[in-house]
Amino acid sequence: AQSVAQPEDQVNVAEGNPLTVKCTYSVSGNPYLFWYVQYPNRGLQFLLKYITGDNLVKGSYGFEAEFNKSQTSFHLKKPSALVSDSALYFCAASGYSTLTFGKGTMLLVSP
Amino acid sequence: DAGVIQSPRHEVTEMGQEVTLRCKPISGHDYLFWYRQTMMRGLELLIYFNNNVPIDDSGMPEDRFSAKMPNASFSTLKIQPSEPRDSAVYFCASSSGTEILGGYTFGSGTRLTVV
Repeated sequence: AQSVAQPEDQVNVAEGNPLTVKCTYSVSGNPYLFWYVQYPNRGLQFLLKYITGDNLVKGSYGFEAEFNKSQTSFHLKKPSALVSDSALYFCAASGYSTLTFGKGTMLLVSP
Repeated sequence: DAGVIQSPRHEVTEMGQEVTLRCKPISGHDYLFWYRQTMMRGLELLIYFNNNVPIDDSGMPEDRFSAKMPNASFSTLKIQPSEPRDSAVYFCASSSGTEILGGYTFGSGTRLTVV
């Protein structure tokens, strides 16, 4: 069975500073990995994905994620955080058809 | 495309009442998923359909929950009778089998409160 862990319930960062939201996964076979963002009272929005190829994946709103097979990690990063990045972030791993989500990490960016 | 459409956005009901949540997937998508989100348990997959056929309902918590997909453009999730512990946000998502690796498109969710 596949599983996703997000070890931090909340990440606090000051605007302009780099941010990292951590994710580790456990899947059999090749991992297909995703990040989603959820703003208050909204559904989840796709940010980026790793399927194969380059370990550094670039996505929406300046976010990127680094796939590390040896550490089974897929951390979300952004070089310079914005207050508007404050939201709930979900990491997810896919088998063929279903996504398993982590519990989410609340990102709070202070001005 | 208007995206995945869920209704109602909010539902408040009394314990014991029947609740029906509705979802219209993106046209052409052949997978439909129902998730439940709570603070305690995060996002849980309840059930998913492929070509209107339920594939895996192992996440449905109890017999009080049922889901149907009578056609490619409509699905319902029903709770009968509802209980306060069913209070959560319920999301519907859809995807295309040929583009499954592109991830899912989520609706805005239905916030259910059972009092």
